[in-house]
Amino acid sequence: ETGVTQSPTHLIKTRGQQVTLRCSSQSGHNTVSWYQQALGQGPQFIFQYYREEENGRGNFPPRFSGLQFPNYSSELNVNALELDDSALYLCASSLGGSSYNEQFFGPGTRLTVL
Amino acid sequence: AQSVTQLDSQVPVFEEAPVELRCNYSSSVSVYLFWYVQYPNQGLQLLLKYLSGSTLVESINGFEAEFNKSQTSFHLRKPSVHISDTAEYFCAVSRRSGSARQLTFGSGTQLTVLP
Repeated sequence: ETGVTQSPTHLIKTRGQQVTLRCSSQSGHNTVSWYQQALGQGPQFIFQYYREEENGRGNFPPRFSGLQFPNYSSELNVNALELDDSALYLCASSLGGSSYNEQFFGPGTRLTVL
Repeated sequence: AQSVTQLDSQVPVFEEAPVELRCNYSSSVSVYLFWYVQYPNQGLQLLLKYLSGSTLVESINGFEAEFNKSQTSFHLRKPSVHISDTAEYFCAVSRRSGSARQLTFGSGTQLTVLP
């Protein structure tokens, strides 16, 4: 059983560019959540996808968007990058449909915006 | 709205000494509570969780946390720490956001175990 994987590990972009981050969920999981962790802070919820539909969103602008594919892998897209978007982006997978679904985290993608 | 407060941003402690990392939450409804650990340049690993039942929960590596509803706290403790316990520790509460169940994290506590 493979765990949650994310790619790339590190990424450097400049302001105004667009970026796509990828996440493969743990085997058997149908739900993916994305979190942004700025330096020195706790992770903040961006959004969650369940069976290819967004079913919850945190306080992030529309330039943060996502997709979930039939195999339950997911992408996070960020348009018009800003300096404050520099952070560790974490993906977590879980088995949805219950009142509680334990989330398993990937190692993250470190994004630096110059 | 729910929030999580971790009262100490940094906790230095000598090896084999006891440690307590404090966490308070605010919520008007029943909650699920978690402690996660993050080692340098890694993602988050679940350390332990409280869903219901016994208010004292334990992890496999000697940590324990006690859910205290009256004080809205979920402090993490270990009676004797090791060098390998050096890491960032995050307290989190699970809440609904639309149909999703999201985690709301505290700002973290850096535990540094000194030789």
